[in-house]
Amino acid sequence: KQEVTQIPAALSVPEGENLVLNCSFTDSAIYNLQWFRQDPGKGLTSLLLIQSSQREQTSGRLNASLDKSSGRSTLYIAASQPGDSATYLCAVSPHSGTYKYIFGTGTRLKVLA
Amino acid sequence: EAGVVQSPRYKIIEKKQPVAFWCNPISGHNTLYWYLQNLGQGPELLIRYENEEAVDDSQLPKDRFSAERLKGVDSTLKIQPAELGDSAVYLCASSAGEGYEQYFGPGTRLTVT
Repeated sequence: KQEVTQIPAALSVPEGENLVLNCSFTDSAIYNLQWFRQDPGKGLTSLLLIQSSQREQTSGRLNASLDKSSGRSTLYIAASQPGDSATYLCAVSPHSGTYKYIFGTGTRLKVLA
Repeated sequence: EAGVVQSPRYKIIEKKQPVAFWCNPISGHNTLYWYLQNLGQGPELLIRYENEEAVDDSQLPKDRFSAERLKGVDSTLKIQPAELGDSAVYLCASSAGEGYEQYFGPGTRLTVT
C-alpha cells in the first residue's frame, strides 16, 4: 500500500531564505507526482506536475525534483516571500491504470517578514 | 478560463439530515474527482468519474454516500443521513484525462451538529 510522508510538518523561515520541502513515498512504481499549495480555508492550487519519466520541473521560483528509486521528491523554493506562507502537499499517482492520488499530510510553511 | 466551481462553500446541518454538494468542472475535462479532507490531513479520494462513468468508487461509503455525473459534466455528491463524523471539507477536482494535472475547486466545508 502506497504511503506518502512529508517532513517537517511545519516550518518557519525568515523572508528571503531558500528552502526545501520533502516528500517521500513507499512504492517507487508511480505514474506521476504533483505538488500543491493550500491556503487556509481554500482549495488546492497546482504548483508542479512531474511525470515518472522526468527528473525535475521548474516554475518561477519553484523547482521540484523526483527520484523514484529512492522514493523521494523535493520542492525547492528560492528567495521565499511572506506570500509563500501556506500548506504544501505532495500527491503521488501509484501506477498507470488507477490515477488515484495518494496525498501526504502536508508541510505548513510560514515565511516571516 | 473558469476554474472548478463548487457550491455551497459552507453548509451546517444537524445529524441525520441529508446534504448535497455540487461541482462544475473545467470545461472539456472528462475526469472528475471527489475528495474528502479532514482537518490537518491530505485529501482522500472518494470517487472518480471518466465522463459519466464512475470508474473508482472503492472509497465511497455506499451506505450513506451517493454521487452522480449526469451527461458527463456537472456532478453531485450526496450524504443521507449525515453523521457527526462526516464533518470535513469536500473537494472536487477535474483533469483533462487520466494521469493529467488535477485542478481543484475551493471545497465545501460541511459541519454536522
